[in-house]
Amino acid sequence: AQKITQTQPGMFVQEKEAVTLDCTYDTSDQSYGLFWYKQPSSGEMIFLIYQGSYDEQNATEGRYSLNFQKARKSANLVISASQLGDSAMYFCAMRDSGNTPLVFGKGTRLSVIA
Amino acid sequence: SQTIHQWPATLVQPVGSPLSLECTVEGTSNPNLYWYRQAAGRGLQLLFYSVGIGQISSEVPQNLSASRPQDRQFILSSKKLLLSDSGFYLCAWSDGTASRYGYTFGSGTRLTVV
Repeated sequence: AQKITQTQPGMFVQEKEAVTLDCTYDTSDQSYGLFWYKQPSSGEMIFLIYQGSYDEQNATEGRYSLNFQKARKSANLVISASQLGDSAMYFCAMRDSGNTPLVFGKGTRLSVIA
Repeated sequence: SQTIHQWPATLVQPVGSPLSLECTVEGTSNPNLYWYRQAAGRGLQLLFYSVGIGQISSEVPQNLSASRPQDRQFILSSKKLLLSDSGFYLCAWSDGTASRYGYTFGSGTRLTVV
């Protein structure tokens, strides 16, 4: 069964600095997808970035990049040049090759301080 | 364009009362639909998902049920609420393919059982 682990319940980062949010996963499938979502205090879930298991390059979307280390089964989210608006909960999620429902980690609460 | 509507936004219900949360999707047909629950300080737990009308898969035994009476309508119900049913409920949809964009979520319902 799939499993997502986010070991950082909370993180602080100074404005304009970069921050890495950790995510490790467990699956026996060779084909799978990894996602990161942002949840502001309003509760909405905002899709940030996707990494496919066969993608040769790490995914990037603006200030977000995904540090994908397949052998270590980790998919860490890197946010560059943090902004106050980045303060939110961040969830890592996974879908296996059978297109089963997304499995989410417990999330990391990021606080950006001025 | 596709949109997802979820209501109500907030709900305070007494223990033992019934529950009905509704989710509808516009601008697409035959979506996969999902109900997730987020307890305070926890990740997203999948409750139910549906790949078609009348097809419901339940992920965890609980006090809740789901129905899909129409293609783009997904309803979460309970006959008698428990205190432990409190949480933030999110509806989501996907097109059923292994999309790089994952799911689109509704704005959520914050349920407090008192």
